[in-house]
Amino acid sequence: SAVISQKPSRDICQRGTSLTIQCQVDSQVTMMFWYRQQPGQSLTLIATANQGSEATYESGFVIDKFPISRPNLTFSTLTVSNMSPEDSSIYLCSVEARQGISYEQYFGPGTRLTVT
Amino acid sequence: DAKTTQPPSMDCAEGRAANLPCNHSTISGNEYVYWYRQIHSQGPQYIIHGLKNNETNEMASLIITEDRKSSTLILPHATLRDTAVYYCIVRVPRWGSGNTGKLIFGQGTTLQVKP
Repeated sequence: SAVISQKPSRDICQRGTSLTIQCQVDSQVTMMFWYRQQPGQSLTLIATANQGSEATYESGFVIDKFPISRPNLTFSTLTVSNMSPEDSSIYLCSVEARQGISYEQYFGPGTRLTVT
Repeated sequence: DAKTTQPPSMDCAEGRAANLPCNHSTISGNEYVYWYRQIHSQGPQYIIHGLKNNETNEMASLIITEDRKSSTLILPHATLRDTAVYYCIVRVPRWGSGNTGKLIFGQGTTLQVKP
């Protein structure tokens, strides 16, 4: 498995500002993922970030709103830009790591964002 | 859209087995069944996965029907700490350098373990 940490663990931000969330893994991984979980809802995949290539965004998510960096095999950032109250969610980083003979996804603790 | 259907909630008595059902009638031949759980305010935790044979690990057992259209996650001796939302997901796993299947989360089953 993999140990994943996220910073900050929570934040309260004003509308119109931006927040960058960091995700750090204790081992080198090829694929990293960013999810959003709105209050009372399930997880929604935002984008997939492979090292050395542009992130691939899911329908309904765009790079201008959620720019992602993936500078190396253990680190990624997600920026939530020009925030509005609708962006209040838990943002989760996920990575693929080896589990036996296959690769499985593991999740970080999440970043709880409140936009006022 | 999620390819699985789960009951929204279930109760289980502490110490008893918790059996969580999942329907995946449109599962493809190369898709596996995965189970994750999310304890309140934490990131989802991987539990188990399988293709067609029953699987068991230190956390749970996974029973998949012969036609693969449904499965059951079994927590043999539920404790209060097993109270969580349990997600059943079908996807193609990654082997080697192949492309990974996405994890598409449905609404899951909220399991309440009661003393």
